[in-house]
Parts: sequence; structure tokens; C-alpha cells
Amino acid sequence: AQSVTQLGSHVSVSEGALVLLRCNYSSSVPPYLFWYVQYPNQGLQLLLKYTSAATLVKGINGFEAEFKKSETSFHLTKPSAHMSDAAEYFCAVSDGTGGFKTIFGAGTRLFVKA
Amino acid sequence: EAEVAQSPRYKITEKSQAVAFWCDPISGHATLYWYRQILGQGPELLVQFQDESVVDDSQLPKDRFSAERLKGVDSTLKIQPAELGDSAMYLCASSLGEGTGANVLTFGAGSRLTVL
Repeated sequence: AQSVTQLGSHVSVSEGALVLLRCNYSSSVPPYLFWYVQYPNQGLQLLLKYTSAATLVKGINGFEAEFKKSETSFHLTKPSAHMSDAAEYFCAVSDGTGGFKTIFGAGTRLFVKA
Repeated sequence: EAEVAQSPRYKITEKSQAVAFWCDPISGHATLYWYRQILGQGPELLVQFQDESVVDDSQLPKDRFSAERLKGVDSTLKIQPAELGDSAMYLCASSLGEGTGANVLTFGAGSRLTVL
């Protein structure tokens, strides 16, 4: 069975500071991994995805994530936070079975201080 | 840009009433998902369709929830009777279902349900 754990339900950074959102996964087969972002009262939007082509994945809005198999992690980073990055971020895993069933973590809310 | 359409955006109902949500996926997307997102939590998969067939409904409370995708295009999720604990955002998503974009989900804006 697959699962996702996001460490920290809330993260607060200053504008211009490094953003680091943590995600650990569990999967019995090589997983597909994703980060999605959700703005208030909206659906989720894809930030980036890992599909085994490269361990460092670049996404939209300057975000990137690194797949570390030994640590079963897929942490999301951005070198310099912007006020517009304030949102909720979800890590997700799909193992390609069961019709590509996708499981989401509980989410991390990012606050950006001026 | 293609979008997943959902309606209604907001629904307030009293407990024991019936509620229905509608979703129109991106054209050509074979896979359709209904997720429930309780405030402060991540989306929980309720039901997944491949074309008109149910692939996974293991987390769907079948005593009160039903979902259909009769022609393999749009879908309806129904709750009858609604309970207070059903208050949540109901998200519809779709994906190609095959190829490199098979498991990339495109979400609609969601339907927020409040049960009084």
C-alpha cells in the first residue's frame, strides 16, 4: 500500500527566504511522485512530478523537488519565497497500479511574511 | 486552456436532504476521480472511473453516496441523506488514463458543501 507523510502542517518563512516543505512516501513499487498547490477555495494545480527520468525535478514558479530513494523523500524547495507563494501544498504518490490511484498527504500551509 | 467544470460551486443544505454534484472532465480524459477534502486535510479519494467503469470505490460510503458516469464523459456524485459530517469540499479531477500524462490530475474548482 502506498502512503504519504508531510512533516509540518504549517511552515512560515520571510519573503526572500528559502522554502522547504518535507514529504516522505511509502510505496511497494517505484512510485510516481507529485507536488500540487491549492489556493483558497480553488482546486489543486500541479507544481511538478517525478517519473524516474531525473531525481531533481523542476516545476512551475521556481519550485523544485529532489527524489531520494534511500530516504524515501521528495522534499519541495524554492530558493526565494514570494508573497504569492502563500498557499497549501500537497505531496502525492501514485504507484501506477489500480488505474493510477493517487494518494495525497495532509498538506502543508505555507505562510510568507513581508 | 481546457478545464474541469464542476457545479454547483457552493451548496448549503439541511441534514437528511439529498445533494448532487456534477463534473465535466477535460475532453478526452478517460479517468475521472471524485475526492472529498475536509477542511485542513488532504483530498481523500471517494471513487475513480475509467471511462464508464468504476475502478475504485473502496472509500465511498455506499449507504448514502452514489456516483455514476453513464456515458464515460460527465459524472454525478450524489449524497442521500446528507449528514453533518459530509460538510467538505468535493473535488473532481480527470486524467488521460494512459501514456506519459496518465496519472497527472487536473482538478476542477470544487463544490463546497455545508450541511446544517
